[in-house]
Amino acid sequence: ETGVTQSPTHLIKTRGQQVTLRCSSQSGHNTVSWYQQALGQGPQFIFQYYREEENGRGNFPPRFSGLQFPNYSSELNVNALELDDSALYLCASSLRTDAGELFFGEGSRLTVL
Amino acid sequence: AQSVTQLDSQVPVFEEAPVELRCNYSSSVSVYLFWYVQYPNQGLQLLLKYLSGSTLVESINGFEAEFNKSQTSFHLRKPSVHISDTAEYFCAVSVSGNQFYFGTGTSLTVIP
Repeated sequence: ETGVTQSPTHLIKTRGQQVTLRCSSQSGHNTVSWYQQALGQGPQFIFQYYREEENGRGNFPPRFSGLQFPNYSSELNVNALELDDSALYLCASSLRTDAGELFFGEGSRLTVL
Repeated sequence: AQSVTQLDSQVPVFEEAPVELRCNYSSSVSVYLFWYVQYPNQGLQLLLKYLSGSTLVESINGFEAEFNKSQTSFHLRKPSVHISDTAEYFCAVSVSGNQFYFGTGTSLTVIP
């Protein structure tokens, strides 16, 4: 069984640029969620995708957008990067019918200069 | 809206001593409760969860947590810690399984 994988693991961008982060969900999981974890903080919910549709969104501006593909992999796109976007971005997959568990990847660490 | 409070940001404890990491939540509806552990430079791993049934839940590595509805708490305990338990611990709540709300984390350091 393949776990959740994310790419890239680290990247550096400058203010105003755009970034795309990628996630492959765990085998058999049809739901993907994205979280932002700033240094010293807990993860904050960005949004969730279920069967290629957005299924809930946290308190993040529209410049944070996402996609889910037919194979349930996902992308997180952030436009017009700001310094405060520097964080660890975590992808988590789950079974839609399972009220229980999120399976996390190891994250993509974004630094905005 | 839901929120989670982890009262202790850092907890140092000697090896083989007991430990309790505190978690309180606020919610007007029934919730699911979780503890996740994060080792350095890694993602989060589920430690244990409460969905329904027995209010005392246990993990395979000796941790336990008790759901207390009246006190809206879900404290994590272990009777004897090991060096390998050193990590960041996050308490989380979910209402529908859709969105998880995490606390700010407790850094557990086990001292030899």
